[in-house]
Amino acid sequence: DSGVTQTPKHLITATGQRVTLRCSPRSGDLSVYWYQQSLDQGLQFLIQYYNGEERAKGNILERFSAQQFPDLHSELNLSSLELGDSALYFCASSVAPRQDTGELFFGEGSRLTVL
Amino acid sequence: GENVEQHPSTLSVQEGDSAVIKCTYSDSASNYFPWYKQELGKRPQLIIDIRSNVGEKKDQRIAVTLNKTAKHFSLHITETQPEDSAVYFCAASWDKGAQKLVFGQGTRLTINP
Repeated sequence: DSGVTQTPKHLITATGQRVTLRCSPRSGDLSVYWYQQSLDQGLQFLIQYYNGEERAKGNILERFSAQQFPDLHSELNLSSLELGDSALYFCASSVAPRQDTGELFFGEGSRLTVL
Repeated sequence: GENVEQHPSTLSVQEGDSAVIKCTYSDSASNYFPWYKQELGKRPQLIIDIRSNVGEKKDQRIAVTLNKTAKHFSLHITETQPEDSAVYFCAASWDKGAQKLVFGQGTRLTINP
């Protein structure tokens, strides 16, 4: 158990809909990262928050948005969903603001299926 | 832009043999190179990492080598065991601008008994 909690584990929805994925980082971790893993694809970095502020941005679509709340949990909002958005969405956390200071601790992921 | 290429995409070896996975990166500003292992249906977990001021690092049966001149780094697993079967991801981090970790596409390693 990494200490990172993601909900829901599975989500099935229709095209055009909007969903919210939730992540609680490990106790004491200030950084939260979101990654997208499509079938047979690598881990695509979406966005990072550190202590409530956006820290780094990757290939995140304009239809997607995220935020980190004062209690450090984070939410990833996906709107106007398309079939191609079906993927496993991972949240990870770390203590430091930089991504090269050590291990990222991943949650179990939220599997999104868009029909 | 920042890019990490990983090869091979699939690798099958006999139990007890060695496995080698290679990655190349596009930007000489990279300074941190971790490797993550993802077992089937599980989350990725860090197995080893190396920084740009080190050429090689070992941890029991796994080792990572870094060639900054050629901009490539490799994961070596010796005496492979069935539990080594997983997808392995390399990654590289750039020490400039919006510093971020970029992952390779992954290598599915299968250990045949």
